[in-house]
Amino acid sequence: GAVVSQHPSWVICKSGTSVKIECRSLDFQATTMFWYRQFPKQSLMLMATSNEGSKATYEQGVEKDKFLINHASLTLSTLTVTSAHPEDSSFYICSARDTYREGSPLHFGNGTRLTVT
Amino acid sequence: TQLLEQSPQFLSIQEGENLTVYCNSSSVFSSLQWYRQEPGEGPVLLVTVVTGGEVKKLKRLTFQFGDARKDSSLHITAAQPGDTGLYLCAGARYPSNTGKLIFGQGTTLQVKP
Repeated sequence: GAVVSQHPSWVICKSGTSVKIECRSLDFQATTMFWYRQFPKQSLMLMATSNEGSKATYEQGVEKDKFLINHASLTLSTLTVTSAHPEDSSFYICSARDTYREGSPLHFGNGTRLTVT
Repeated sequence: TQLLEQSPQFLSIQEGENLTVYCNSSSVFSSLQWYRQEPGEGPVLLVTVVTGGEVKKLKRLTFQFGDARKDSSLHITAAQPGDTGLYLCAGARYPSNTGKLIFGQGTTLQVKP
């Protein structure tokens, strides 16, 4: 079945450094992918919509220069947390659906646990 | 403003009890999904409801979509410890083919043996 792979599953970095998270659709193509942020025992908050070949669309309150999104191919979107700070520590999740299959469901990656020390 | 209000946010019950989780909105959704999420993992889709008034059953779980497509409920019968987890409702606004979902706040369910 359709799978979305997220890498890394966890990362620890020092304050001030940048971290890149990858989201891959393994057996389907996606012109659009979504990035969410989740705090412990809370729901998913949509951060941005990643668009293949064009700029990402950010939700209100999300700093685009802080969270850089690149969607260079139909199977890969990346989220880079720049100059990370402890308050950026969170669980980041991506999702995607098969653009070319009508009615296909949304698939979620297994998330990336970011800890900034 | 939370477009999709989910309640209760926390629920702790004994094995064998029944429970209902609600998702309410003033907005109309083209479809509504229910997910279950384990700690450290991504959400897993349980069901999608599309038609107003639709009822779907998945073993001991019953999902209902409101007639006006603004609300939904999840009912679990005879809850078991394995049902413990975070339950999320998510609505798709029109147009529905974008994949963009609005999530409720989530319900953390704990079923004690």
